[in-house]
This record gives sequence, C-alpha cells and structure tokens, in this order.
Amino acid sequence: AQSVTQPDIHITVSEGASLELRCNYSYGATPYLFWYVQSPGQGLQLLLKYFSGDTLVQGIKGFEAEFKRSQSSFNLRKPSVHWSDAAEYFCAVGTSYDKVIFGPGTSLSVIP
Amino acid sequence: NAGVTQTPKFRVLKTGQSMTLLCAQDMNHEYMYWYRQDPGMGLRLIHYSVGEGTTAKGEVPDGYNVSRLKKQNFLLGLESAAPSQTSVYFCASSPQVAGVRYEQYFGPGTRLTVT
Repeated sequence: AQSVTQPDIHITVSEGASLELRCNYSYGATPYLFWYVQSPGQGLQLLLKYFSGDTLVQGIKGFEAEFKRSQSSFNLRKPSVHWSDAAEYFCAVGTSYDKVIFGPGTSLSVIP
Repeated sequence: NAGVTQTPKFRVLKTGQSMTLLCAQDMNHEYMYWYRQDPGMGLRLIHYSVGEGTTAKGEVPDGYNVSRLKKQNFLLGLESAAPSQTSVYFCASSPQVAGVRYEQYFGPGTRLTVT
C-alpha cells in the first residue's frame, strides 16, 4: 500500500542551526514528491516539489530536498533556520490515481 | 487573485445538525479536494472531484457528501453532524496537467466543532 512516513513528530532546533526533516515513502512507481509548510492557523503552502531530473531540488524560503530512490526518501534541509520557520511540515506523494498522500507531519520549534 | 477561499472559517454545531462548507477557487483548476486534518494524522482525503459534475470518494468519505455543480465551487455537506467530525477542514485545488496536477493550492481552512 502507498504510504508516507515522517519519523519525527516534533523537532526543536536553535535559530541559526541546520535542519533536516525526514520523509520516507512507499510507492511502486516513480513518485511525484512534495514538501508543504503549514504555519499556525493557516493552510498549507508548497515549499518544493520533485517530478524528475536533478534529485536535489530547491524551494522557497531557502529550503532544499534530495530524492534518494534507493532509500525511498525525500528529506528536507535548510542550512540555517530562522525563528519564522517554526511551523508544521508535511511530506506528500502524488500517485497515479489523481490523489496525494500526506505524511503525518513534523512540528518544528525554533529556540531563539 | 483570491486563490482558494473557504466559508465559513469557524463553526460550532450540535450533534445531528447539518451544514455545508463552501470552497471556491478562481484559478480555473479542474481538480478540487476536501481534506480533514486531525492531530497526528496529517491530512486525510474525504472526497475529490476531477471536473465539473464529477465527484469521487477519498479515504474517509463516510458521513460527508459533496457536489461540484460549477467548476469553481466544491461543496462539502454534513447531513447529521457527529462529534467525530470535529476537525479542521481544508479545501484544495490543482490544475489538470499531468504531474503538475499533484501540486495543490490550499484554502485557509474551516475549524468545525461538533458538541
């Protein structure tokens, strides 16, 4: 069955520190992969996406993610976290049935 | 450009009452979705539509109905609300283009409480 896992429910980092949020997926074909961010009380906003080609993709707000087919992973990274990055982050996989499967989310807290 | 809008933003219902949530998009997108978001469970798809006049069931459709009479609107109905339907509801839309259609644009959400 298709699924998306985000092993870390909650992560706390200090402002200026680097960040990596993990995402693993289970899907038989080449997936369409996404990271979304949700600020408190808001809807989801697309950070970046991977469809094909270069496995390292750049997104908005200084985020990047790397697709590793061998590990079925699509981890999100940022070299230096800002206090405004505190939010909920969702990894998602687009499937061939016109649906997107979302992971459970990782909540990020940033310590000043 | 408003994008995706949802009405209302907040609502409190009593068990057994009915209501309709309205989603509207001005991007001429073919695909529209209704999700519910519960703590620790991410987003779960309730119903979706791949075009005007079409609807399909998602992961958790029970207790909900939908209609897509106009391309820009997608309505979610609760016929007899239950406390288990307390949640935050998000509408999303996406274009029809293959691949790109998986990139979704979300509304701000409706927080529903059923007492």
